[in-house]
Amino acid sequence: DVKVTQSSRYLVKRTGEKVFLECVQDMDHENMFWYRQDPGLGLRLIYFSYDVKMKEKGDIPEGYSVSREKKERFSLILESASTNQTSMYLCASSLGTSTQYFGPGTRLLVL
Amino acid sequence: DQQVKQNSPSLSVQEGRISILNCDYTNSMFDYFLWYKKYPAEGPTFLISISSIKDKNEDGRFTVFLNKSAKHLSLHIVPSQPGDSAVYFCAAIPYNTDKLIFGTGTRLQVFP
Repeated sequence: DVKVTQSSRYLVKRTGEKVFLECVQDMDHENMFWYRQDPGLGLRLIYFSYDVKMKEKGDIPEGYSVSREKKERFSLILESASTNQTSMYLCASSLGTSTQYFGPGTRLLVL
Repeated sequence: DQQVKQNSPSLSVQEGRISILNCDYTNSMFDYFLWYKKYPAEGPTFLISISSIKDKNEDGRFTVFLNKSAKHLSLHIVPSQPGDSAVYFCAAIPYNTDKLIFGTGTRLQVFP
């Protein structure tokens, strides 16, 4: 079974703080993705990565950065958290052009 | 610009009846379509998919239909069960990419 884990299920941060969200997959998948889910907007792609040290902007990359130093780990960084980044963050991985498998999500609240 | 649209934000169906969830898309370069199911406080889980070369794919109680000329996708669940109550997202993959484009989701409630 594919397993995608995210470091935190719930997180509360203050405006201006730097926030790290970690994602790890155990299936040797090449591709990893970060999404955010907001009511009425579905899932929107923030960043994705096809390989170690490679990253591509998704549809809403502003205010975020990512790091992929190892194949199994993909980190999302909020350089200076803002209240409009309060959301559910979902990580996914896939092998080539195939089904994406999602982690359980991190619900982030920025005060 | 929403390339994948789910125009019904919610749907309520009685247990045992058929649930039909609809999805429309605008990009003719999509060549693979998927449905995901999401429970609250959990990540989406893959349900069923269909390639653009097919018009139907069936897996147990779940059937996905694709009408390419209408750019329309639907998910049929029959018979519906209370455990099917969740948010359903359709998603599409453009040709030659690995990116998923998601719809906004439809909340299905199956009542006894």
